Amino acid sequence: KNEVEQSPQNLTAQEGEFITINCSYSVGISALHWLQQHPGGGIVSLFMLSSGKKKHGRLIATINIQEKHSSLHITASHPRDSAVYICATRTGGGADGLTFGKGTHLIIQP
Amino acid sequence: DAGVIQSPRHEVTEMGQEVTLRCKPISGHDYLFWYRQTMMRGLELLIYFNNNVPIDDSGMPEDRFSAKMPNASFSTLKIQPSEPRDSAVYFCASSASGIGNTIYFGEGSWLTVV
Repeated sequence: KNEVEQSPQNLTAQEGEFITINCSYSVGISALHWLQQHPGGGIVSLFMLSSGKKKHGRLIATINIQEKHSSLHITASHPRDSAVYICATRTGGGADGLTFGKGTHLIIQP
Repeated sequence: DAGVIQSPRHEVTEMGQEVTLRCKPISGHDYLFWYRQTMMRGLELLIYFNNNVPIDDSGMPEDRFSAKMPNASFSTLKIQPSEPRDSAVYFCASSASGIGNTIYFGEGSWLTVV
């Protein structure tokens, strides 16, 4: 069974800081998702990765398949980035259900 | 598209009552997932369907939980009888076939069993 570990669990930073959230997993995967959950509960998929790196605005996600590790970076962080960020992996070749990390609770202070 | 639509958004019910949660996936998506989120356990997969057929229900906690997908545009998750430990947020999500396709979540159904 795949184990997904995230760090840190909680992170408080000042506006403008560079943020890194890490995710490690234990078995080979077909894809990894980074999800964002705001207060109020809605979940949005930010990225889906199977290799390399993706960038969307101030967000960058990388994955190292050999090391079974992914990172989510936020540049020039802003209070509206405050949310829970969840790493989730998919192990099947199809669309099997995701296995989730416990999430990183990020607070960006003005 | 309106996205994945769940109802009810919030429900408070008494222990022992039947609870039915509903989900309408995004049109054209052939995968539908039910997840549960609690403070203690985070997000967990309960069951998922492909083309309306249940594929993996190993996450369904016990016989009190059942899920159906009678057609491509509707699914239900039923708890009977409900217990306080079932209090959680239940998310429905859908995606299209293929590793490259992302997954879309509904807003969640917040269930409180008292």
